[in-house]
Amino acid sequence: AQSVTQLGSHVSVSEGALVLLRCNYSSSVPPYLFWYVQYPNQGLQLLLKYTTGATLVKGINGFEAEFKKSETSFHLTKPSAHMSDAAEYFCAVSDNGNNRLAFGKGNQVVVIP
Amino acid sequence: DAGITQSPRHKVTETGTPVTLRCHQTENHRYMYWYRQDPGHGLRLIHYSYGVKDTDKGEVSDGYSVSRSKTEDFLLTLESATSSQTSVYFCAISDLTGLNTEAFFGQGTRLTVV
Repeated sequence: AQSVTQLGSHVSVSEGALVLLRCNYSSSVPPYLFWYVQYPNQGLQLLLKYTTGATLVKGINGFEAEFKKSETSFHLTKPSAHMSDAAEYFCAVSDNGNNRLAFGKGNQVVVIP
Repeated sequence: DAGITQSPRHKVTETGTPVTLRCHQTENHRYMYWYRQDPGHGLRLIHYSYGVKDTDKGEVSDGYSVSRSKTEDFLLTLESATSSQTSVYFCAISDLTGLNTEAFFGQGTRLTVV
């Protein structure tokens, strides 16, 4: 069964600094990979996804992620943090699109002015 | 936003009582899911459905049952609520057609069992 590891439940970043959230996955078949964002008292919103093709994926709000098969990683980055990026971020994996998503435990991002 | 409505949005219930949560979609998506979200655990799959009357268990299905009699509705039932089922419950839908691989989530139901 697939699984996801996200280290560091709380991540603090200064406004204007790089945002880096790490995600490592395990999957027995080529995975589909996702990053979701959750704002307080809301549902999850898709930031970006990797299915096939280009390994560098761009998403909404200036975020991007790179699929590295050799490292089984799908780290999320944003060059310059904004106050509005304060939220919880989840990495998820599914096996070839069966969409039984397995989620990581999430990273709560705090942006420091 | 995807047309997903969860009801109720908030509920407080007593231990031992039955509780049913409803997920209604207007997207005609084939797949529907129930997840629970707990601090330190992320989201965990309870049950999912791949069509009318077709359901299967997820990783934390004990104490829960589901039903899907229509494409648009997916019900989650706690037969006898326990305090460990206090959580935020999310419904999700997906269609898995072409490049549409992502799941869309509802706004969540906050359930408190006292």
